[in-house]
Amino acid sequence: DIQMTQSPSSLSASVGDRVTITCRASQGISNYLAWYQQKPGKVPKVLIYTASTLQSGVPSRFSGSGSGTDFTLTIGSLQPEDVATYYCQKYDSAPWTFGQGTKVEIK
Amino acid sequence: QVQLQESGPGLVKPSQTLSLTCTVSGASISSGGYYWSWIRQHPGKGLEWIGHIYYTGSTYYNPSLKSRVTISLDTSKNQFSLKLSSLAAADTAVYSCAREHPRMSTVNWGQGTMVTVSS
Repeated sequence: DIQMTQSPSSLSASVGDRVTITCRASQGISNYLAWYQQKPGKVPKVLIYTASTLQSGVPSRFSGSGSGTDFTLTIGSLQPEDVATYYCQKYDSAPWTFGQGTKVEIK
Repeated sequence: QVQLQESGPGLVKPSQTLSLTCTVSGASISSGGYYWSWIRQHPGKGLEWIGHIYYTGSTYYNPSLKSRVTISLDTSKNQFSLKLSSLAAADTAVYSCAREHPRMSTVNWGQGTMVTVSS
């Protein structure tokens, strides 16, 4: 099965910083990659699907890129409300595996 | 608006079988176009995909859990269910049901239900 590896596992950045999280698939998954934001005690919320399509209602400071095996989630200008754990998920075929998550904090 | 709600026991003994039900409103599980899935999250840990079912009854399970998992549909009640057998403490987690779209990924989530495996 395809494994999903996220990096870093955690990061601390200042408000206004540009933040980048990467997700690597052990085999090619085309663009079937989604990014989720999970705040403490809350249900995950999809931010981006098909690697780069912004879900309706998600702020434009979030963007995604990549195809094949390497993907990136970028927060263009980090805001206090972005403190959360971010997960990638592949869904080209089952199993729909998640990455291990990246915890984002404010410095 | 599609809503999913999990129900089931919060405490289960080791070696027993966990049974959870997800009640869906705002959408029919017997219509095509979506998968109906179960996902769990161990305390303080990441998300683990358990498996999903299509309206035809076709299923796919996480290989690491496959020998212990069964997901089924009850179209008369617009519900789908999870059974996980031979429980151990390592199965203690929040279990969530979800609706998956083949192009848009996991689009709806239940609130999740905490299951503790303990004697």
